[in-house]
Amino acid sequence: EPEVTQTPSHQVTQMGQEVILRCVPISNHLYFYWYRQILGQKVEFLVSFYNNEISEKSEIFDDQFSVERPDGSNFTLKIRSTKLEDSAMYFCASTTGTGSYEQYFGPGTRLTVT
Amino acid sequence: GQQVMQIPQYQHVQEGEDFTTYCNSSTTLSNIQWYKQRPGGHPVFLIQLVKSGEVKKQKRLTFQFGEAKKNSSLHITATQTTDVGTYFCAGGTGGYQKVTFGTGTKLQVIP
Repeated sequence: EPEVTQTPSHQVTQMGQEVILRCVPISNHLYFYWYRQILGQKVEFLVSFYNNEISEKSEIFDDQFSVERPDGSNFTLKIRSTKLEDSAMYFCASTTGTGSYEQYFGPGTRLTVT
Repeated sequence: GQQVMQIPQYQHVQEGEDFTTYCNSSTTLSNIQWYKQRPGGHPVFLIQLVKSGEVKKQKRLTFQFGEAKKNSSLHITATQTTDVGTYFCAGGTGGYQKVTFGTGTKLQVIP
């Protein structure tokens, strides 16, 4: 069964550093998403991406964040200057965009900012 | 902005007891999805509901979408230890651009 993959599984970085989180969505899916989940809390929407541009973004997704689909398969989330409060699990997800709203989630990247 | 609340936040049940979580949105939804997240895992899709008053069943799980399309519930009959996890509803207001996840209900099943 096709699955969403994410790398790395765990990233430790120092405050102020840039990080790039990588995702490979399911190949025939059209919509891609990034979510954040602080430990023990709810899943928070960051951004959706369709047709090579941002479809919608939340208030969390400020100028420190950017997304890119540099080739036909990878989907990346960049945080330019990390803060302590960026420490969380980051999930990538994708959906077909045709009919079903089912989102397929990757295993996540745990980001720890020290 | 849109808010989606779930109650209860936590529920401990004896194995074999029933369990229900309730989801309420501040705005009318076009669709609602339910996800299960095991400890240390990622959300896994369970079901979607799109019609007012819709009821769907999956074995011991029963999902309902309210008539006003602002609330939903998930009921598990005769819980098992494999049901342990956090259950999230996620509401969409149209299209695929965004869903808002609920606050989640963490279920513990005592054997």
